[in-house]
Amino acid sequence: IAGITQAPTSQILAAGRRMTLRCTQDMRHNAMYWYRQDLGLGLRLIHYSNTAGTTGKGEVPDGYSVSRANTDDFPLTLASAVPSQTSVYFCASSDSSESGHGYTFGSGTRLTVV
Amino acid sequence: GQNIDQPTEMTATEGAIVQINCTYQTSGFNGLFWYQQHAGEAPTFLSYNVLDGLEEKGRFSSFLSRSKGYSYLLLKELQMKDSASYLCAVMDSNYQLIWGAGTKLIIKP
Repeated sequence: IAGITQAPTSQILAAGRRMTLRCTQDMRHNAMYWYRQDLGLGLRLIHYSNTAGTTGKGEVPDGYSVSRANTDDFPLTLASAVPSQTSVYFCASSDSSESGHGYTFGSGTRLTVV
Repeated sequence: GQNIDQPTEMTATEGAIVQINCTYQTSGFNGLFWYQQHAGEAPTFLSYNVLDGLEEKGRFSSFLSRSKGYSYLLLKELQMKDSASYLCAVMDSNYQLIWGAGTKLIIKP
């Protein structure tokens, strides 16, 4: 693989269920991010990690948790899904030493909570 | 607060030129980015401006005025494949990207 891989591509989930969205990168980027994208609202940051072993809260962290056990993986967990978490989720990464390169995005996970 | 403003939607004709504006108010500034996002796909990097002036890259150019908190993306010789959303984002003092809601560009033949 080259870049960022997200899984699954799409998922329909019953409300109340637990779900983990997977994100793996092979670029050795130190920083990783989870966004949700909803129509008319643009990209909103859920959680981020500036380096392995550290995480931080973004703009909309409630109902979500993350972990960063190593450089490559940054899973996002919904502990108990609710319909308002229906969205498209993008994982992204960046190398903070090369800020001009911006972020690289995964292909996204389309999640529907019913 | 931090704010990025760009038009919601624009329409242009194939072969023409279109300018998409972006104004911003952020805590700190470490560069402005433009991304392209086709429907159902991930955003992809188009341009980066950190100093005032125009950066040209083929049919696309991006302009920045830091004193005015203003940028634009200029697309020339429009092609149907340019139909997409264009996202403006500013890197703040914490080196995190603050995103606009995006401008949906519709190209008509």
